[in-house]
Amino acid sequence: KQEVTQIPAALSVPEGENLVLNCSFTDSAIYNLQWFRQDPGKGLTSLLLIQSSQREQTSGRLNASLDKSSGRSTLYIAASQPGDSATYLCAVKGGADGLTFGKGTHLIIQP
Amino acid sequence: EPEVTQTPSHQVTQMGQEVILRCVPISNHLYFYWYRQILGQKVEFLVSFYNNEISEKSEIFDDQFSVERPDGSNFTLKIRSTKLEDSAMYFCATTRQDSNQPQHFGDGTRLSIL
Repeated sequence: KQEVTQIPAALSVPEGENLVLNCSFTDSAIYNLQWFRQDPGKGLTSLLLIQSSQREQTSGRLNASLDKSSGRSTLYIAASQPGDSATYLCAVKGGADGLTFGKGTHLIIQP
Repeated sequence: EPEVTQTPSHQVTQMGQEVILRCVPISNHLYFYWYRQILGQKVEFLVSFYNNEISEKSEIFDDQFSVERPDGSNFTLKIRSTKLEDSAMYFCATTRQDSNQPQHFGDGTRLSIL
């Protein structure tokens, strides 16, 4: 059974820093990996999707990498801003339709 | 940008009552999903729906749950006889053409069972 783990569980950094969020998964037989952002009381906003054949994806200040063989992905946030404060979720898609989620990293960017 | 819309945003129901949660998918999307998130826990997959039938369901999705698309627009999740442990956020998600594309989520319905 696929398990997804996100480290750290919480992170608080000053504005302007570059930071890395980590995601690991136990079964490397995945089709894709998706990073989401969740604001309190809100739904999930899709940030980036990496197909299993890709190594990375970039969107603005966000860069996600995927090392499928080692079961790892990282989300790099450059020049962090207070508006980046949220919970970041990693989810993998295996052979099944549904996504398997990690518990998330709760990120606080201090002004 | 098109959005997945869920109603109601919050539903309070007595234990044992039936509840229906509604979702309006993005218009050209073909795959629909329901997930739930119990407070403080991970988001969990419940069911996927394609071509007017269930494609896949998790072990959470037992006989108390059902899904349908009654009018070609709304996609609904029904819980037949609610239990206290059904209290959670329920999210609807959709993808455009196949289940390998990005899933787009609604803002969720907070279900509180008393």
